[in-house]
Formats: sequence, C-alpha cells, structure tokens
Amino acid sequence: GESVGLHLPTLSVQEGDNSIINCAYSNSASDYFIWYKQESGKGPQFIIDIRSNMDKRQGQRVTVLLNKTVKHLSLQIAATQPGDSAVYFCAEIPNTGNQFYFGTGTSLTVIP
Amino acid sequence: DTGVSQDPRHKITKRGQNVTFRCDPISEHNRLYWYRQTLGQGPEFLTYFQNEAQLEKSRLLSDRFSAERPKGSFSTLEIQRTEQGDSAMYLCASSLAGALTDTQYFGPGTRLTVL
Repeated sequence: GESVGLHLPTLSVQEGDNSIINCAYSNSASDYFIWYKQESGKGPQFIIDIRSNMDKRQGQRVTVLLNKTVKHLSLQIAATQPGDSAVYFCAEIPNTGNQFYFGTGTSLTVIP
Repeated sequence: DTGVSQDPRHKITKRGQNVTFRCDPISEHNRLYWYRQTLGQGPEFLTYFQNEAQLEKSRLLSDRFSAERPKGSFSTLEIQRTEQGDSAMYLCASSLAGALTDTQYFGPGTRLTVL
C-alpha cells in the first residue's frame, strides 16, 4: 500500500500561537490530498484539501502547503485555539483510484 | 442532521459471535466507504461501493468480513466469528463521484469490542 507518514506524533502549542503539522507521502503520482481532524470518539472531519496542481490553499485559519519536489504536505493553523486540540491526519489519494491512504496522525494539544 | 450516520455507536460482543454494522450515507452521495481504525492509527481502507456495486473489496481483512449495499443507499458491514483482534473503530464515509472534489465525509464510527 501507500506510505503516508507524519514527522511528529505529538505537538503542543500555546493558545494563540500558530501550529504547523507536517506529513510526508511516498507516491509521486498522487494528485489529491486532504487534511482531516479527529476528536476523541468521533469520526475524521474534513478540514481542507489540495490538488497536486497547486502549491498552497487557504481556508479559514488554516493553510495547506504542498511541496511535490520533496513529497511533503503541511497544515498551518493560525491563532490556535483549545478547540483545535485533536489528532490530525493527512490523506493521500493516488490518481489510480479512489482509495484514501492515511498516515498515523499527529496529536495536537493546545495549552490555554 | 444530514451527515453520515452509523449504528450502533458501540458494540460489545463475545469472541465467535457475528456482528453487523449499518451506515447511512449523505443522501445524495453515490459512493460509500468502509474503514477500520485502531488506536493511534489512521483509518485503514476496507472496501467501497459506487451505488450498489462493490468496486473494491480486496482490502477486506479476511473472508469473515463482508459488506453490502443492496439498494445503493445504506450499507452494512458484517464480521463473522469475531476475534479479539477485530476490536477497533469501524468508520463509514461517503462521497459524490463526479463532483469537483471527491471528498469523503465520515460518520462517527462504530466502536467494536470483542471480549
């Protein structure tokens, strides 16, 4: 299967600071990537997506950056809030099918 | 609530019993996916349907696992002769094929505990 990994399993940030969560992927043919947020006891929640023909995409307080040269994806959260505490997964979707490949996840803890 | 729903939310069963989980996708979505998630790991793809057709099932963990979507709406995932290793969260997701983005929206999951 595909290999999608995260650099850091845990991240702690102070409330109000910016957070950066990183993800490495292995399939250079992947053309679609999604970041999901998963709170304890709940299913993953869509945050933001990006296609391989883009380098950057912004949402509300979140930005996803894609570096295809090094096969790296990052999620930036501005002015992190306690409600942002969760596990964040990146998902990679190869252009050969509809299967999503998820990494292990990064646990973000926001310190009030 | 028009999101993906799953039933039951929790299931405790004894080893060797059969269990069945139900997923109701977002109503206009034609694709439905099943995943398994163990603690600390990302969701692991199992199978998916487009309408009533099961287009991918090679990732089902064993022949004890089966899924159906008989009318192209709700789906069921059945695990026969459960084992302790089947204990996990079973997630369902749905998407709309042909949309600009085929984003999958997840349900809350069914947590299975096999004693």
